[in-house]
Amino acid sequence: GEDVEQSLFLSVREGDSSVINCTYTDSSSTYLYWYKQEPGAGLQLLTYIFSNMDMKQDQRLTVLLNKKDKHLSLRIADTQTGDSAIYFCAVPRGGYNKLIFGAGTRLAVHP
Amino acid sequence: GAVVSQHPSRVICKSGTSVKIECRSLDFQATTMFWYRQFPKQSLMLMATSNEGSKATYEQGVEKDKFLINHASLTLSTLTVTSAHPEDSSFYICSSLDSSGNTIYFGEGSWLTVV
Repeated sequence: GEDVEQSLFLSVREGDSSVINCTYTDSSSTYLYWYKQEPGAGLQLLTYIFSNMDMKQDQRLTVLLNKKDKHLSLRIADTQTGDSAIYFCAVPRGGYNKLIFGAGTRLAVHP
Repeated sequence: GAVVSQHPSRVICKSGTSVKIECRSLDFQATTMFWYRQFPKQSLMLMATSNEGSKATYEQGVEKDKFLINHASLTLSTLTVTSAHPEDSSFYICSSLDSSGNTIYFGEGSWLTVV
């Protein structure tokens, strides 16, 4: 089965960059996703990357994919207090894109 | 863009009763939807895959007679928690692929509290 692992906690200072890491086991995944969950809320799709890409940039977000090492990272530039949330990486399993989630990384942004 | 809507967002029910959660795709047809459960401070766990017009496929360890899934139309899937117990209290969230087949969108989620 698919295993998706993330570090559980990250604390950064406002204005710094945040890097959230994720490793996975299944090499057949086509798209890999990052979701954001704010306290008491549902999931918000942040971005995704296709498996034949190494990098994708979307405003303050940069996704890096090392397919050889099965490592995915999300970089948030100029981190703001509003970025405080739990960030999940998710990897599809099987042909129907059932998502397997990491445990989530809780990002805390302090002044 | 694609929108997936869930209802209710919060529900409290008495132990032993049943509660239904709806998941709708608002501007696209969803032949397949997925139901997840998230316990406090834990990650999301896939419960079942809901297929329009056919039986749902349940993940290992999920009781199909307790969590009834109906996907009667291309825009609506429902999850009914039957004979609910306090340990069923959780955050339930559905998702679906959009029409391009590339992006997975989630509903807003439903908080279930069983008292």
